[in-house]
Amino acid sequence: GDSVTQMEGPVTLSEEAFLTINCTYTATGYPSLFWYVQYPGEGLQLLLKATKADDKGSNKGFEATYRKETTSFHLEKGSVQVSDSAVYFCALSDSGGYQKVTFGTGTKLQVIP
Amino acid sequence: DAGVIQSPRHEVTEMGQEVTLRCKPISGHNSLFWYRQTMMRGLELLIYFNNNVPIDDSGMPEDRFSAKMPNASFSTLKIQPSEPRDSAVYFCASSFSGTGNTGELFFGEGSRLTVL
Repeated sequence: GDSVTQMEGPVTLSEEAFLTINCTYTATGYPSLFWYVQYPGEGLQLLLKATKADDKGSNKGFEATYRKETTSFHLEKGSVQVSDSAVYFCALSDSGGYQKVTFGTGTKLQVIP
Repeated sequence: DAGVIQSPRHEVTEMGQEVTLRCKPISGHNSLFWYRQTMMRGLELLIYFNNNVPIDDSGMPEDRFSAKMPNASFSTLKIQPSEPRDSAVYFCASSFSGTGNTGELFFGEGSRLTVL
């Protein structure tokens, strides 16, 4: 079945550091890929998405590129802020009729001033 | 438009009691998902519905858990009897699944359950 693997956390960075959170996936067909973010005490919310190979999703300074050849969708940000501290989930939506969503285990990011 | 609405936000109960969590999806969405989140196990998919029909309930832990979706605007997740290991945050999410849609999920704020 479909699966998503993302790097273990927690990740601790100083403010203005460069961020990379790795994500790879296994899926049949042509899934859509997502990054969701969960701030403390809240539900998950969509951060960015990409629906086909070589698409780049971007939002709030975060970017991720759909790499079919390496089955990856790594999350990057050039300069993190304290307000980016949260848990980040990589996910895929299968291309079947019901579009079931599969999540990775989440990576906790802590940004210190 | 209102987002996904869950109730109650917090529930504290004693072992053996029945717990019912409620969810109102976004109007027009045709898929609904129940997830459970714990520190130990992360985010787990319990069950999902499409057009009010349960499609996959393989994530439901055991017979103590049941979920219903009597109409397009309401779903319940019931635990009877509850146990301390059921303590978690339960999220409901909805989406519109269909041709041309990517299956983006919209989450509620969660129901935090504590079973003593």
